[in-house]
Amino acid sequence: DTAVSQTPKYLVTQMGNDKSIKCEQNLGHDTMYWYKQDSKKFLKIMFSYNNKELIINETVPNRFSPKSPDKAHLNLHINSLELGDSAVYFCASSQEGGFQETQYFGPGTRLLVL
Amino acid sequence: AQSVSQHNHHVILSEAASLELGCNYSYGGTVNLFWYVQYPGQHLQLLLKYFSGDPLVKGIKGFEAEFIKSKFSFNLRKPSVQWSDTAEYFCAVTGFQKLVFGTGTRLLVSP
Repeated sequence: DTAVSQTPKYLVTQMGNDKSIKCEQNLGHDTMYWYKQDSKKFLKIMFSYNNKELIINETVPNRFSPKSPDKAHLNLHINSLELGDSAVYFCASSQEGGFQETQYFGPGTRLLVL
Repeated sequence: AQSVSQHNHHVILSEAASLELGCNYSYGGTVNLFWYVQYPGQHLQLLLKYFSGDPLVKGIKGFEAEFIKSKFSFNLRKPSVQWSDTAEYFCAVTGFQKLVFGTGTRLLVSP
């Protein structure tokens, strides 16, 4: 009965590779997000989607491409991975994306680029 | 653009000690304020939130926070911490379309 799930939990890969992280929520929420948490624990939003439409894109490099096949899924594809992409990536969701809403986070995907 | 500052990066307390974690934000408009907690190996979860009304907000597990508009602050408090409160605590604010987090405070409670 996991509310927001992510796969994989850990991802170790070489520079230059392409990888994807998947996110699914079973809360019936309309809005989903991707956050990046760097080595200093600083958590910053990357993207948000509302009903499969891109709402926020925080000047993330073009190598990062989110894809939302339906409103319950928001996947993150990363091309040509770089060392600086190493981080923990969190998916989250909220009911409609409003300012007062609680966001529900997934367990995170720990990406290490070698 | 809004920003959030958490000045205490690491806090170490003994069990039963009182806790206060600072959070200051910069944003000129109406804000919504949150405290999230991340227990070791777990995902972020909401502790409490403030939108309007009583500036003293009570959350889960005995935590509370006070919104002081004149000081742009939303400090988190707990009168008596437990070992199980060991975690990373994040203050966050929404002002325009997105949730902006502080850098977090790592709390270690020794038994």
